Amino acid sequence: RKEVEQDPGPFNVPEGATVAFNCTYSNSASQSFFWYRQDCRKEPKLLMSVYSSGNEDGRFTAQLNRASQYISLLIRDSKLSDSATYLCVVNRDNNNDMRFGAGTRLTVKP
Amino acid sequence: GAGVSQSPRYKVAKRGQDVALRCDPISGHVSLFWYQQALGQGPEFLTYFQNEAQLDKSGLPSDRFFAERPEGSVSTLKIQRTQQEDSAVYLCASSLATAYTEAFFGQGTRLTVV
Repeated sequence: RKEVEQDPGPFNVPEGATVAFNCTYSNSASQSFFWYRQDCRKEPKLLMSVYSSGNEDGRFTAQLNRASQYISLLIRDSKLSDSATYLCVVNRDNNNDMRFGAGTRLTVKP
Repeated sequence: GAGVSQSPRYKVAKRGQDVALRCDPISGHVSLFWYQQALGQGPEFLTYFQNEAQLDKSGLPSDRFFAERPEGSVSTLKIQRTQQEDSAVYLCASSLATAYTEAFFGQGTRLTVV
C-alpha cells in the first residue's frame, strides 16, 4: 500500500462547479501536509498548506482529519485555469521528508 | 538564478549507458530531494539529503542508482547501465529543513532511454 493515496480521477467538471479531492496517508507520525499543483509538463508548485484547524485561500479550502488520516481540498466556483493535477503531500517527520500522492487530475470545461 | 536549476533538461541515453543528472538547489536550502516521475504518475521519492548527509535512500529502485551531495549544495543523481524502465522525468526539490516549509522544484530532467 502506498504511503499517500489519492483518487487519480480524472475529474471533468463544468466551469463554476465545486469539486473536492481526498487523500489518505498511512504514517500516523506525519507532521505536516500540503497540496501542490502540477500543470502538464511543469514542475509541482505549492498550492496551499493544510492546517489542523482547516484553512481557506480564496476559492480553495483544505481540511485535515488526523484521527482518520485524511486530507481534503475543496475548489469552489472552478475556473478553466484550475485544470491541472493536484498532488497531496505529507511530511513524515520534522525534517521535511516529503512523500507525494500520485495526483488527481482535474479538467474544468467551458 | 534564484530557483532550483537542473541540467540537462533533456537526456537521451542508449540502453546500458551511464548518465549523471545535476541539481543546483536554492542557496541556503539544507534539504534536497530527488523524485522520479513517470508519465501520468505523481512524483515517486528516490532520496533525501540534509546538507551532505543522505538521510534516506530507500526510494532508489536499484543499486544502479546513486546520489551524492558532497559539499551540501549541488547534488548529482547517477544512473548506471540505464534501462528502458528508467525513462522518466527526474525532479529535484530543495527546502529549508523544517517540517512546515515549502519545497521548490526544478523543472526536471526528462530522461529517455532508447
